[in-house]
Amino acid sequence: GAVVSQHPSRVICKSGTSVKIECRSLDFQATTMFWYRQFPKQSLMLMATSNEGSKATYEQGVEKDKFLINHASLTLSTLTVTSAHPEDSSFYICSAIGLAGDHPDTQYFGPGTRLTVL
Amino acid sequence: KQEVTQIPAALSVPEGENLVLNCSFTDSAIYNLQWFRQDPGKGLTSLLLIQSSQREQTSGRLNASLDKSSGRSTLYIAASQPGDSATYLCAVDTGRRALTFGSGTRLQVQP
Repeated sequence: GAVVSQHPSRVICKSGTSVKIECRSLDFQATTMFWYRQFPKQSLMLMATSNEGSKATYEQGVEKDKFLINHASLTLSTLTVTSAHPEDSSFYICSAIGLAGDHPDTQYFGPGTRLTVL
Repeated sequence: KQEVTQIPAALSVPEGENLVLNCSFTDSAIYNLQWFRQDPGKGLTSLLLIQSSQREQTSGRLNASLDKSSGRSTLYIAASQPGDSATYLCAVDTGRRALTFGSGTRLQVQP
């Protein structure tokens, strides 16, 4: 089946620093990637939709200048949390849709990145 | 705005029991509905995807049904096993391809 990877799986940083998270589709081309955030004991909330070669579409309440998304190729999207603060600590998960799998609408999720901001 | 609710929030059953997880959504104009499994601290595993035109999907011991007009879906797990212990998430696609998730049902199957 289609595989999506994320790197790093876990990151701890100091308040005020920037952190970059990578999301890669390993064996298929992802025309669209999504970034979700999950706080402890809560469900996933969509942050933004990313299409290759165009600007990301952010959900209401998500600061585009704080969460920079770059979808430079059909296999890679990056999320950069700029000037991270403790309230940004969360589990960030990406997903990808593309030319893969049994069904074109199936979203393939990465394993997630646990961000802890001290 | 689409809202997805899952009941119960948590469930503990002895091994071997058949069980039903419930999902409801407020806007019936969905494109598809998916059930996922999430293990603690891990990503999501897709279990079943039901298109809006379908009534149910089956995979092994799992069966998911969809009643779009009433805004409901159920996930039936037959002969539960300890390895089924996880959080089960229901999510709907309203045509934007991004998913709206429920808060999940935490399942514990006791050996």
